[in-house]
Amino acid sequence: EDQVTQSPEALRLQEGESSSLNCSYTVSGLRGLFWYRQDPGKGPEFLFTLYSAGEEKEKERLKATLTKKESFLHITAPKPEDSATYLCAAASGGYQKVTFGTGTKLQVIP
Amino acid sequence: DTAVSQTPKYLVTQMGNDKSIKCEQNLGHDTMYWYKQDSKKFLKIMFSYNNKELIINETVPNRFSPKSPDKAHLNLHINSLELGDSAVYFCASSQPEQTQYFGPGTRLTVL
Repeated sequence: EDQVTQSPEALRLQEGESSSLNCSYTVSGLRGLFWYRQDPGKGPEFLFTLYSAGEEKEKERLKATLTKKESFLHITAPKPEDSATYLCAAASGGYQKVTFGTGTKLQVIP
Repeated sequence: DTAVSQTPKYLVTQMGNDKSIKCEQNLGHDTMYWYKQDSKKFLKIMFSYNNKELIINETVPNRFSPKSPDKAHLNLHINSLELGDSAVYFCASSQPEQTQYFGPGTRLTVL
């Protein structure tokens, strides 16, 4: 059975304090690894899709990387507006089958 | 323009009632999904439809019945609501084998 595990469950950072979120996955035949951001009371908002080991993608202060077993979401010099829950998901078989992790709740303190 | 929309946003009802949640997407996607997010924020897929055809049914009680009248709509009907059905339900859409885009969610509370 496909599994996606995220760590830590919660992370509290000072503004400007860089860190990384981890997503470990066990899926048969990875077709894509997704990162989403979810704000309270809202739906997940798409951030990145990674397809193969070694791939990296960046957007503003966020950078996602992928290896054969895990993905990292690096946050450089975070701001309070980066506070949210970050979800990782893996697609296997067909993209219709996507398994989500339980998320990392990030709080950035001014 | 809202890409994936759901109605209602909040739904409070008594045990045993029947209720429906509607979803519409204007992205031109072929595939639509329903997810359930529990109190611990875990998102679990319930159903997936591709071009109005059921693709995934993830061991969901048969009290839950999705209906896709056309490619842009996927509704979720729930019979005989139970306390454990309380959750946030998200609709999503995508092109086949592409990134999924989510709606704003419907918070269902069963009393």
